[in-house]
Amino acid sequence: DAGVIQSPRHEVTEMGQEVTLRCKPISGHNSLFWYRQTMMRGLELLIYFNNNVPIDDSGMPEDRFSAKMPNASFSTLKIQPSEPRDSAVYFCASSWGTDEKLFFGSGTQLSVL
Amino acid sequence: QKEVEQDPGPLSVPEGAIVSLNCTYSNSAFQYFMWYRQYSRKGPELLMYTYSSGNKEDGRFTAQVDKSSKYISLFIRDSQPSDSATYLCAMFPYQGGKLIFGQGTELSVKP
Repeated sequence: DAGVIQSPRHEVTEMGQEVTLRCKPISGHNSLFWYRQTMMRGLELLIYFNNNVPIDDSGMPEDRFSAKMPNASFSTLKIQPSEPRDSAVYFCASSWGTDEKLFFGSGTQLSVL
Repeated sequence: QKEVEQDPGPLSVPEGAIVSLNCTYSNSAFQYFMWYRQYSRKGPELLMYTYSSGNKEDGRFTAQVDKSSKYISLFIRDSQPSDSATYLCAMFPYQGGKLIFGQGTELSVKP
């Protein structure tokens, strides 16, 4: 298995632009998580899906952030408009059921100038 | 006060040393405890998973949980340069509950 696949690995954009991060979970996993990691705040859960349905989005910082999971093999996290304080590493992770053994992707390093 | 507290380090030790990494937590509802290892520019990977109080061993790694003190530890014996990474503790109260991560401790093992 290729593991959790995220794209792009790096994204540099200007303030105000739309950013879309993509994730392909491990086949067979039915829970998907989006995390953000910064030096100041560590690893924060933004949103998670179970069976493609958003279960908890309380970590989404603002309405500028949105996430979708149209099918079991694909999810997106969108930021519109982006701001410099959104600069961070964004991780996608997946797991089987309520077993919290998360498998993480390699992350997307986002820089908003 | 954060729910999970972890000393960010950095911690530098010579090769072969015993390393002790620790986390404290405030929520007595936490029942499941994990340690993740994160190499530079990589995502975290699960290292240890424990449920009950006591010790769990896996090779050179031992995870220890003391629920009465709300304290968990990860011990690394005979540390190797390849153990150099950030170690994050994580915990949740029940199956399906929200997983909470510590800040992570950066470890460097010098040859």
